[in-house]
Amino acid sequence: AQSVTQLDSQVPVFEEAPVELRCNYSSSVSVYLFWYVQYPNQGLQLLLKYLSGSTLVKGINGFEAEFNKSQTSFHLRKPSVHISDTAEYFCAVTYSGGYQKVTFGTGTKLQVIP
Amino acid sequence: EAEVAQSPRYKITEKSQAVAFWCDPISGHATLYWYRQILGQGPELLVQFQDESVVDDSQLPKDRFSAERLKGVDSTLKIQPAELGDSAMYLCASSTRGLAGDTGELFFGEGSRLTVL
Repeated sequence: AQSVTQLDSQVPVFEEAPVELRCNYSSSVSVYLFWYVQYPNQGLQLLLKYLSGSTLVKGINGFEAEFNKSQTSFHLRKPSVHISDTAEYFCAVTYSGGYQKVTFGTGTKLQVIP
Repeated sequence: EAEVAQSPRYKITEKSQAVAFWCDPISGHATLYWYRQILGQGPELLVQFQDESVVDDSQLPKDRFSAERLKGVDSTLKIQPAELGDSAMYLCASSTRGLAGDTGELFFGEGSRLTVL
């Protein structure tokens, strides 16, 4: 079964500093990988996705992620964070094709400090 | 821009009462999901529909939870009786899973926050 591990439950970072949120997945077959963001009392919104091709994926709000098959990782990065990036971030995985379910990690709370 | 509609946004109920949540997915999305998100945790799939058929309900507590999508469009999730541990955010999402060009992306509604007293 597929699973996702987000190693950090909370990440504090100063405004304008870089940040990396870590995500590892377990799967022996081809997967699709996602990062979603959730603001308080709201649903989840897609930041970016990896389906195939280039391992560096760019998303909204200046975020990017790199797919590393050998390390089964899909870490999210931003070179300079803003106060408005304070939110919870979820990594998710699904198998390509069919009706496979989407499995989410436990989330990482990013707190940007002014 | 098309959105997933959910109601109510907030619901407070006493334990042992019945509660229901409604979801209207994006038009044309055949797959509909109900997730439960307990505070501080990631979303957990309760049930997945493909059109009107249940594809996965392995994590749905069937003694008290039920879900239906009778005409393959909107859906209702019911809890009866509610328990204290059911306090959570209930998220509905839709996608184009199973259709040509599907990327696996989920489109979420704003969620329904349930508080059981």
